[in-house]
Amino acid sequence: KAGVTQTPRYLIKTRGQQVTLSCSPISGHRSVSWYQQTPGQGLQFLFEYFSETQRNKGNFPGRFSGRQFSNSRSEMNVSTLELGDSALYLCASSLSLAGSPEQFFGPGTRLTVL
Amino acid sequence: DAKTTQPPSMDCAEGRAANLPCNHSTISGNEYVYWYRQIHSQGPQYIIHGLKNNETNEMASLIITEDRKSSTLILPHATLRDTAVYYCIVRVPRNTDKLIFGTGTRLQVFP
Repeated sequence: KAGVTQTPRYLIKTRGQQVTLSCSPISGHRSVSWYQQTPGQGLQFLFEYFSETQRNKGNFPGRFSGRQFSNSRSEMNVSTLELGDSALYLCASSLSLAGSPEQFFGPGTRLTVL
Repeated sequence: DAKTTQPPSMDCAEGRAANLPCNHSTISGNEYVYWYRQIHSQGPQYIIHGLKNNETNEMASLIITEDRKSSTLILPHATLRDTAVYYCIVRVPRNTDKLIFGTGTRLQVFP
């Protein structure tokens, strides 16, 4: 069974641009979460989607947004990129709403903002 | 903020048991203890979780103290591939998959 896939794996953008990252969960998984990882702040929760609805959101500015499609694939968007948005963006999927014990993480998208 | 405290780093000889401690003194009665690890440049990987009883799976064992204020993850025979950052997380498994990661313990397994 294929794991969580994220595209692209690497991305270079300049300040002020916007970016869209994609996450395809494991087949059958309905929940997708996004995390940002930086050397200074570590792993931080961005948001979580289940059945196309955002059910939880972290403490990030409105420039960070996301959505989930009917096939459970998810995208996150960052507008007006800042240097501090350079990070590894990880998504994770799980089976259901009930706080599944095991979440499966993808390999991440490494975003560099110049 | 993370509700757990872990030592920043530990070393372990290959083949020996690695015992990674975690303090969660403010844990509430319905919070579980979860362990994840992150091997360099990869996404975190689930290891094990538990509520109050000790748990064991093919990867590790989890020992939770009787008062539930601390726990220990045990890798019985550490290998070089176990070199990673290990995160201890407490959460209530209800209506959200949100994980709050602390700084974790960087385990270095040496030959």
